[in-house]
Amino acid sequence: DIQMTQSPASLSASVGDRVTIICRASQSINTYLNWFQQRPGKAPRLLIYGASTLQSGVPSRFSGSGSGTDFSLTISSLQAEDFATYYCQQSYTSLITFGQGTRLEIK
Amino acid sequence: EVQLLESGGGLVQPGGSLRLSCAASGFPFGNYAMTWVRQAPGKGLEWVSGINNNGDTTYYAAFVKGRLTISRDNRKNTLYLQMDNVRAEDTAVYYCAKDRYGSALYAFDHWGQGTLVTVSS
Repeated sequence: DIQMTQSPASLSASVGDRVTIICRASQSINTYLNWFQQRPGKAPRLLIYGASTLQSGVPSRFSGSGSGTDFSLTISSLQAEDFATYYCQQSYTSLITFGQGTRLEIK
Repeated sequence: EVQLLESGGGLVQPGGSLRLSCAASGFPFGNYAMTWVRQAPGKGLEWVSGINNNGDTTYYAAFVKGRLTISRDNRKNTLYLQMDNVRAEDTAVYYCAKDRYGSALYAFDHWGQGTLVTVSS
């Protein structure tokens, strides 16, 4: 299976900050990389697919980049509603795998 | 509006069986691949299984080991997960999700609210 490793595991930031979350694949996955947001008690929400394409309805402060093994999710100016857990997920193979998650907390 | 409504969760004894359902509406169900993802209490997301749009190709995580079976009924707009010989480690919220595409698994763009499965004696 392709292993997905996110860093950091948790992150404290303030409203208005710019934050970046990293996701690394154990082998090249081209741009078959998606990002999800999950608020407590809620279902996950697709933010970015294909490494950099913004899902419809997602605010433009979210952006994704990367290819091969190294990817990033950036939130340009944190809003209160962005404090949540973020997951990357690869679909390069049909054995789908998620990263372990990055918990974004209010400082 | 896309809606996915899971049902069938509950308390089941180790070694028992359960069938989860996911009723879909608001989109042409037979055009899209579907998937199940689970989340154990306090843990991260774990992909379980997926199925292509016409149901003739299925995919499973390694831990499934023949105990779980995904299927779909495109006439009823419903996705299923048959869970047999369940174990304590199957305890989780099970989400169904719609894919952006039909023929293979790619990106899950709509999710249900989940159904809780608890395996305990």
